Amino acid sequence: SQQGEEDPQALSIQEGENATMNCSYKTSINNLQWYRQNSGRGLVHLILIRSNEREKHSGRLRVTLDTSKKSSSLLITASRAADTASYFCATDSYSGGGADGLTFGKGTHLIIQP
Amino acid sequence: DTGVSQDPRHKITKRGQNVTFRCDPISEHNRLYWYRQTLGQGPEFLTYFQNEAQLEKSRLLSDRFSAERPKGSFSTLEIQRTEQGDSAMYLCASSLVGLQGDEQYFGPGTRLTVT
Repeated sequence: SQQGEEDPQALSIQEGENATMNCSYKTSINNLQWYRQNSGRGLVHLILIRSNEREKHSGRLRVTLDTSKKSSSLLITASRAADTASYFCATDSYSGGGADGLTFGKGTHLIIQP
Repeated sequence: DTGVSQDPRHKITKRGQNVTFRCDPISEHNRLYWYRQTLGQGPEFLTYFQNEAQLEKSRLLSDRFSAERPKGSFSTLEIQRTEQGDSAMYLCASSLVGLQGDEQYFGPGTRLTVT
């Protein structure tokens, strides 16, 4: 089953604008990761935020994590046409002492209009 | 390029046939994961290895699926008696496990079409 749910499912903005995507999840997590997937290409890791962190930056990316609300957001500033892709949040949780692999949401499809 | 590689990239097979996919992880990574992704969905976890030991299997992994990682290097995923519902992208990922979770690096995937 898929734990994360991204919102919105699709987002279309003009180049140069900021894009914000949200992710909600259900169970306690060890960390939360964001991935990008371009059409026909594999998943690319963007950023990992641990459960004891609240905000993290990487270049034009800003991720927040609110464990009390079980939610995260990904902000892409000054968007570019090359940012057009599907963005997935994935949670990493441990149960029974072992890793269960990442649990992905369905993704947000982001389109950057030139 | 020292990223994760998968072979083949595409596979078309007839229902009932067996197929095998290969994944070569990043060489220093000790964990290897298999995921399945269908159109419009995010990847779903199937199984993972730490070194050569298969430590976790999803309930999605039916008895027709088997994965191996001999010697803790490359891995194979075999699907026996394929069904049309097995059509999907099969993704492999590897990571170097850390104390607070690990970043997984994905391969390009093997797209399976069962006719």
